Amino acid sequence: GENVEQHPSTLSVQEGDSAVIKCTYSDSASNYFPWYKQELGKRPQLIIDIRSNVGEKKDQRIAVTLNKTAKHFSLHITETQPEDSAVYFCAASDPQAGTALIFGKGTTLSVSS
Amino acid sequence: DAGVIQSPRHEVTEMGQEVTLRCKPISGHNSLFWYRQTMMRGLELLIYFNNNVPIDDSGMPEDRFSAKMPNASFSTLKIQPSEPRDSAVYFCASSFFRPTGGNQPQHFGDGTRLSIL
Repeated sequence: GENVEQHPSTLSVQEGDSAVIKCTYSDSASNYFPWYKQELGKRPQLIIDIRSNVGEKKDQRIAVTLNKTAKHFSLHITETQPEDSAVYFCAASDPQAGTALIFGKGTTLSVSS
Repeated sequence: DAGVIQSPRHEVTEMGQEVTLRCKPISGHNSLFWYRQTMMRGLELLIYFNNNVPIDDSGMPEDRFSAKMPNASFSTLKIQPSEPRDSAVYFCASSFFRPTGGNQPQHFGDGTRLSIL
């Protein structure tokens, strides 16, 4: 089955710096890759997703890139702000097979002002 | 849109008791997922349903865990008997699945924080 590895497990940056979180997946059939942000005590919330027919997607300060050949995808946050501090999860799935999301272990991002 | 609704938000009970968690998916969604979140194991998929039919329950830890979806707007996750190691946050999520178009994003409920003493 699908396995998703996420790195780093913790990331500390200064306000205004960029943050990059990387994930690799094992199942080449996977073609849907969402990212979720979870604040302390809250539910995971979708922040951006990408499908395998595109290599990059951007939404304001966040972007996701996908390399299908290498089976890895990354989340990029520019001009980080203290409110970006949270746990970020990547996930992968093969929707055509009706499979659910397989999540990475999460990255705790801390943005200090 | 009310979002995914879970109840109760918090549950504290003694080991050996039966626990029932409830979930109402977003109207129109046809896929429902139950996850368990702990510090040690992260977000684990327990079971999911498409069109009220269980598709994959390989994540259900033991026979003490069971899940049902009697209709498109309601699902339950039951633990009987409960044990202290079942303490975790249990999330329900829903999405719209199209065989020809693939999954749309999953939306999570606020979770049930379960503590077994």
